[in-house]
Amino acid sequence: AQSVSQHNHHVILSEAASLELGCNYSYGGTVNLFWYVQYPGQHLQLLLKYFSGDPLVKGIKGFEAEFIKSKFSFNLRKPSVQWSDTAEYFCAVIPEAGSYQLTFGKGTKLSVIP
Amino acid sequence: ETGVTQSPTHLIKTRGQQVTLRCSSQSGHNTVSWYQQALGQGPQFIFQYYREEENGRGNFPPRFSGLQFPNYSSELNVNALELDDSALYLCASSLLVNRGGYNEQFFGPGTRLTVL
Repeated sequence: AQSVSQHNHHVILSEAASLELGCNYSYGGTVNLFWYVQYPGQHLQLLLKYFSGDPLVKGIKGFEAEFIKSKFSFNLRKPSVQWSDTAEYFCAVIPEAGSYQLTFGKGTKLSVIP
Repeated sequence: ETGVTQSPTHLIKTRGQQVTLRCSSQSGHNTVSWYQQALGQGPQFIFQYYREEENGRGNFPPRFSGLQFPNYSSELNVNALELDDSALYLCASSLLVNRGGYNEQFFGPGTRLTVL
């Protein structure tokens, strides 16, 4: 069965700092990859997704992620974080075959200090 | 806001009891997926319903069951509650063209279940 590992449980950054959240998955075949975000008191929402094509994917609010197939990684990045980026971030994967089951990582809580 | 609603918001039950959680999917969607999110964990897939039939199940025991209605709303039923069932239960709706496909899932706010 596939699994997703997120390296950091809690990240604390000052505003304008750069962000990189790590995500590795274990699945040998073709996968679809996602980052979800949950702002305090809000629903889980899709930040960006990778299905195929350009491995550098751009999402909402200035976030991007890079798929590195050889490393089974899909790291999330943002050049300059804002206080409003404070949230919990989840990496998730769906195998291309039988694509209905999202498998999530444990999440990374990001706190941005003004 | 995603248009996906869940009820109730919070629920407290005791061990051994049964519980029913409800989810109204976003307008135009035909698929509902249910997830369990324990404290400090990511959501775990329970099962999915597509056009009123179960369309896949995660690693959860049979005492977790569900239904989807003709209007595509859904229920999650849990029998013989255990302490470890305490969690946030999320539903997500999507529009699938066919059974084996994928489309973006829109999540509801969740129901917080506490089992004492």
